[in-house]
Amino acid sequence: SYVLTQPPSVSVAPGKTATITCGGDNVGRESVHWYQQKPGQAPVRVIYYNSDRPSGIPERFSGSKSGNMATLTISRVEAGDEADYYCQVWDGVLERRSFGGGTQLTVL
Amino acid sequence: QVQLVESGGREVQPGTPLRLSCAASGFTFALSPMNWVRQAPGQGLEWVAFISSNGKTDSYADSVRDRFTISRDNSKSTLYLQMSSLSVDDTAVYYCARDGEGGSFDFWGQGTLVTFSS
Repeated sequence: SYVLTQPPSVSVAPGKTATITCGGDNVGRESVHWYQQKPGQAPVRVIYYNSDRPSGIPERFSGSKSGNMATLTISRVEAGDEADYYCQVWDGVLERRSFGGGTQLTVL
Repeated sequence: QVQLVESGGREVQPGTPLRLSCAASGFTFALSPMNWVRQAPGQGLEWVAFISSNGKTDSYADSVRDRFTISRDNSKSTLYLQMSSLSVDDTAVYYCARDGEGGSFDFWGQGTLVTFSS
């Protein structure tokens, strides 16, 4: 399975921009997906195919990728954005999925 | 609306077999590949298993291969995870998740907890 590396934690002040990275040798050739998980709740997909946003997800959430690094950007951060965020990729040949270790976003 | 409702999680003793279920509604289950994902207490997400829409293809994480079996009954819109040789390392909330675009997980259930008694 693929190894995906995320920073354990990111802190940001309200109204500022948060960036969460996801790196790995396979990131460059695979699509990256992102999930938000609040305490006691199931994860919610916030970005798929590197930068597509599901319906209902605010435009403040965006995704990008450059080389072997994917980035989730949250603009104009709100207190309600405080959560754990996970990146994920799919090995379409072996039909296996891998998650990054997760990043805890703290809104100061 | 899409609903996924897991059940079957409970406190067990190591080595006790256990079967989890996930009842699906609000979409055409028979056309949807499905997955199980787990999360140990205080830890991150771990993909466990995948099954194709017709049940003919499956795949597993190394940590559960040869111990867990994913299956489905499309006539009942239900996904299963048969677990054997359980150990305390399998303590987790188990989520079922629908396969979405590009191998993502577009809908998740609320999870069912598997714990172990001493």
